[in-house]
Amino acid sequence: NAGVTQTPKFRILKIGQSMTLQCAQDMNHNYMYWYRQDPGMGLKLIYYSVGAGITDKGEVPNGYNVSRSTTEDFPLRLELAAPSQTSVYFCASRDGQRPYNSPLHFGNGTRLTVT
Amino acid sequence: AQKVTQAQTEISVVEKEDVTLDCVYETRDTTYYLFWYKQPPSGELVFLIRRNSFDEQNEISGRYSWNFQKSTSSFNFTITASQVVDSAVYFCALIDNYGQNFVFGPGTRLSVLP
Repeated sequence: NAGVTQTPKFRILKIGQSMTLQCAQDMNHNYMYWYRQDPGMGLKLIYYSVGAGITDKGEVPNGYNVSRSTTEDFPLRLELAAPSQTSVYFCASRDGQRPYNSPLHFGNGTRLTVT
Repeated sequence: AQKVTQAQTEISVVEKEDVTLDCVYETRDTTYYLFWYKQPPSGELVFLIRRNSFDEQNEISGRYSWNFQKSTSSFNFTITASQVVDSAVYFCALIDNYGQNFVFGPGTRLSVLP
């Protein structure tokens, strides 16, 4: 069982470039999340999805887009990268069935630098 | 709205000391779930424990123990006889009864010195 797999692990982008952060899970979880963690800070929710075809904004969605065409994959798209998007990005998944107390399972993160 | 507060930004202790990490939460839901996660220097996020709002029993797992008090909306985490390997950032988190959005606290950075 691979769990939650994120690629790439590291990336350096120039201002204005675009990229997609990949996230895949093999636990058949219906809920998936993207968080960003700025240096020395906590986790901020960017987007989440409660199932294929359904996505919703979190706390800091500006500058990002997501799609959820399958249960397994939840890619995060950065358009026109800005230095403020320099961060570590974590993808997570969980079983959204009742009683709703399933923990988040995190990937190992993608460290992104925009210069 | 839900909120999780971890007032201690950083804590330093000497090995073998006991240390308690505070977590205070706010929610209007009567049913909710609380979690603790550990983020060691390597960066991954590790699930430690889950607690349901209707179960106020405290829990002990080896050197770790958790004290859940609904009356004060707190879910504190104690490490007994701390070790250097306990050095990490610890996050408290809350999810409501609809089960969609995890809310994390800002984290407490624990440094255990040899």
